[in-house]
Amino acid sequence: EVQLVESGGGLVQPGGSLRLSCAASGFTFRNFWMGWVRHAPGKGLDWVANIKSDGSEKYYVESVEGRFTISRDNAKNSLYLQMNSLRVEDTAVYYCARAWSSGSGWFDYWGQGTLVTVSS
Amino acid sequence: DIQMTQSPSSLSASVGDRVTITCRASRDIRNELSWYQQKPGKAPKRLIYATSSLQSGVPSRFSGSGSGTEFTLTISSLQPEDFASYYCLQHKSYPLTFGPGTKVDIK
Repeated sequence: EVQLVESGGGLVQPGGSLRLSCAASGFTFRNFWMGWVRHAPGKGLDWVANIKSDGSEKYYVESVEGRFTISRDNAKNSLYLQMNSLRVEDTAVYYCARAWSSGSGWFDYWGQGTLVTVSS
Repeated sequence: DIQMTQSPSSLSASVGDRVTITCRASRDIRNELSWYQQKPGKAPKRLIYATSSLQSGVPSRFSGSGSGTEFTLTISSLQPEDFASYYCLQHKSYPLTFGPGTKVDIK
């Protein structure tokens, strides 16, 4: 059974930093692109970042470029999102998702989400 | 960037109704579109991928169609568990973009 479990969310002041983690199990992690999607209160879903299966390619939405860094450790079956210079508008539930592999399509499995609140 | 629009933004329907949600892309995305269902406080769940392929385990009352710039999600007979928000996602090019969502509630 595919499982994705996020951790690391919490309350942080504007300008602060957080590191989100996602522990993956139930599939061959190193074969899949992975990504982060967020859901701000009262808003729709927003894609944040993707990383290729071997970590060699990374893509970001413009609003987080230069502030957030996606990374992965295939030996630990783990995905990360380092978030710096956080803004109030980054407040959201952050979901880890299995992004893509040939034959599986996009974002087929999601974690339960971790809440990030940016507030003074 | 490819912009996605959805219509309607919300709808009220009864159990047993046929429901159609439309998603439009600002340019040709071929069949690079997926549909997701999200209930309050829960993670999104994929329903349809590659425009019309049904996700394993998803009831056959859900179907998807379209190509290019116009796509539809159809629920043939709405069930109580289908009251939720629905989002389309284009994955033709970065940045990946979701539609703004359609909330389906009980009439």
